[in-house]
Amino acid sequence: DVKVTQSSRYLVKRTGEKVFLECVQDMDHENMFWYRQDPGLGLRLIYFSYDVKMKEKGDIPEGYSVSREKKERFSLILESASTNQTSMYLCASTSPQGDYGYTFGSGTRLTVV
Amino acid sequence: AQTVTQSQPEMSVQEAETVTLSCTYDTSESNYYLFWYKQPPSRQMILVIRQEAYKQQNATENRFSVNFQKAAKSFSLKISDSQLGDTAMYFCAFMKQVAQKLVFGQGTRLTINP
Repeated sequence: DVKVTQSSRYLVKRTGEKVFLECVQDMDHENMFWYRQDPGLGLRLIYFSYDVKMKEKGDIPEGYSVSREKKERFSLILESASTNQTSMYLCASTSPQGDYGYTFGSGTRLTVV
Repeated sequence: AQTVTQSQPEMSVQEAETVTLSCTYDTSESNYYLFWYKQPPSRQMILVIRQEAYKQQNATENRFSVNFQKAAKSFSLKISDSQLGDTAMYFCAFMKQVAQKLVFGQGTRLTINP
């Protein structure tokens, strides 16, 4: 089975810290995504990438950046964490050659204090 | 830009009942893809069912079926013979092209009571 692994299930960080959320997939998928999930808002797209070293802004990129140095790894970076970035973060991947189903990681619940 | 709206934040039914979750969307595209995802307490998002807009026949997966009304831009999910394991958040999602970004609705929290 395809696996998308997010490095941390729970994370607590302080305001102003630089935070790295890591996502690794093992099925050679080209496309990777970072979403943020908040109650009442559903999932909102932060950034996505269709290839190594490629990135595109999603709907809410402010305060975030990403890195994709290798095909299997897509990192989300909070340059200076703020309390309004307390949320659930979900990573997903898919392949253009596939059946357009996404595979999701199990999420990182980030709390910024 | 596409938008997806789920107007039922929470629903609750008894085990074995049938429940319908509503979803509407807005798009100017003629062909696209629609999905229902389930997120149980484990947080793992699971694809429940998908529908391609050019297909008129409603998709069905075991106890799960959809009512796809393209003209009305409506995509509801029906769960028959509901089970305790169906308790989860359910998200409706839209995709313009294969393997592109998904646009999600706000979610519906469904509780199945014994």
